[in-house]
Amino acid sequence: ELKVEQNPLFLSMQEGKNYTIYCNYSTTSDRLYWYRQDPGKSLESLFVLLSNGAVKQEGRLMASLDTKARLSTLHITAAVHDLSATYFCAVDNNTNAGKSTFGDGTTLTVKP
Amino acid sequence: EAGVAQSPRYKIIEKRQSVAFWCNPISGHATLYWYQQILGQGPKLLIQFQNNGVVDDSQLPKDRFSAERLKGVDSTLKIQPAKLEDSAVYLCASSSEADTQYFGPGTRLTVL
Repeated sequence: ELKVEQNPLFLSMQEGKNYTIYCNYSTTSDRLYWYRQDPGKSLESLFVLLSNGAVKQEGRLMASLDTKARLSTLHITAAVHDLSATYFCAVDNNTNAGKSTFGDGTTLTVKP
Repeated sequence: EAGVAQSPRYKIIEKRQSVAFWCNPISGHATLYWYQQILGQGPKLLIQFQNNGVVDDSQLPKDRFSAERLKGVDSTLKIQPAKLEDSAVYLCASSSEADTQYFGPGTRLTVL
């Protein structure tokens, strides 16, 4: 059974600081997603990572994937208040592309 | 392009009652997913359809939950009878093949 673990689960940081969220998973997979969820809202896709060494960047967020270590990171650069949200990683099952297992999320609060 | 539509947005019922949720995916998306998201957790896949066929329903509590997608477009998810632990947000998502999933706004179910 595929298990996905995120850490930290809660993160409070000052504006302007950098931090990294980690996503570990238990079995081989070639496809990993990062989503953002604002309170009371649905999930918004941020990144899709499809191969070992993949790196994608959008604004102050950068995601990377190491399939050998079964690890993805979401790096936040110079955080701003608008980045406050819950971030989920999700990993696809290699035998059923599209069946995603989600982590429990990292709730990020950026303070001025 | 219209997104994934869900209704109702909120529902409050008493335990042992029945409830149904409706989802209209993005036009042309063959794959449709229903997720259950309990407060403080990541979404858990309940059922995955490819057109009108079931790809995965291994985590669907079949004694009380049922879902259908008769014409390969809209889908309904039913709970009968509901239990207190079914209180959650039910998310519908759709994708084109095994691609990025696009999520609807969700239905927040409260079982009293």
